[in-house]
Amino acid sequence: DTAVSQTPKYLVTQMGNDKSIKCEQNLGHDTMYWYKQDSKKFLKIMFSYNNKELIINETVPNRFSPKSPDKAHLNLHINSLELGDSAVYFCASSQGNLNNEQFFGPGTRLTVL
Amino acid sequence: GENVEQHPSTLSVQEGDSAVIKCTYSDSASNYFPWYKQELGKRPQLIIDIRSNVGEKKDQRIAVTLNKTAKHFSLHITETQPEDSAVYFCAVGGGADGLTFGKGTHLIIQP
Repeated sequence: DTAVSQTPKYLVTQMGNDKSIKCEQNLGHDTMYWYKQDSKKFLKIMFSYNNKELIINETVPNRFSPKSPDKAHLNLHINSLELGDSAVYFCASSQGNLNNEQFFGPGTRLTVL
Repeated sequence: GENVEQHPSTLSVQEGDSAVIKCTYSDSASNYFPWYKQELGKRPQLIIDIRSNVGEKKDQRIAVTLNKTAKHFSLHITETQPEDSAVYFCAVGGGADGLTFGKGTHLIIQP
């Protein structure tokens, strides 16, 4: 019955590795997002997709590549992981435009060693 | 882009007292102002939101006020309870860049 789900919940990996985080929503929403929350709890948008189309792409290293196979899924692939990528990554979704309630997933805690 | 300032960063209040958290923003075209609550280790969840066509909205013990002229809005929690302890984020939206979040306020309810 989970509305927005992410896998994995925890991800521990070495510097230089490539990893992916998956996100799925069963709310029928059109728009999905990826946020990064750093150790100071600051929430910053990274990407947004509307109906599989990229609509927001903040200043994020191109090692980060989102992929939306359909409007219910938005995955995040990260190449050549760095120590500074350690954070909690939240997926979210909303109905319609960008200025409606966003429903967040449970988060993925990424630790880069 | 939008610039959102949130104060205070930490707020400690006695159980039963009121708590007020304030945010200011820079873009006068912004028209959507939600507040999210994040409990420790959990996801952010919307608790209340307001759009620019109203000045105040209430939902039980929670209220939000908006002053568009001064470009600030506030979250008011009355009769605080232990379960109100969390980090609260304001956010501002209205343009094509989605929501810009404030840096959060850690609210501590003292028994």
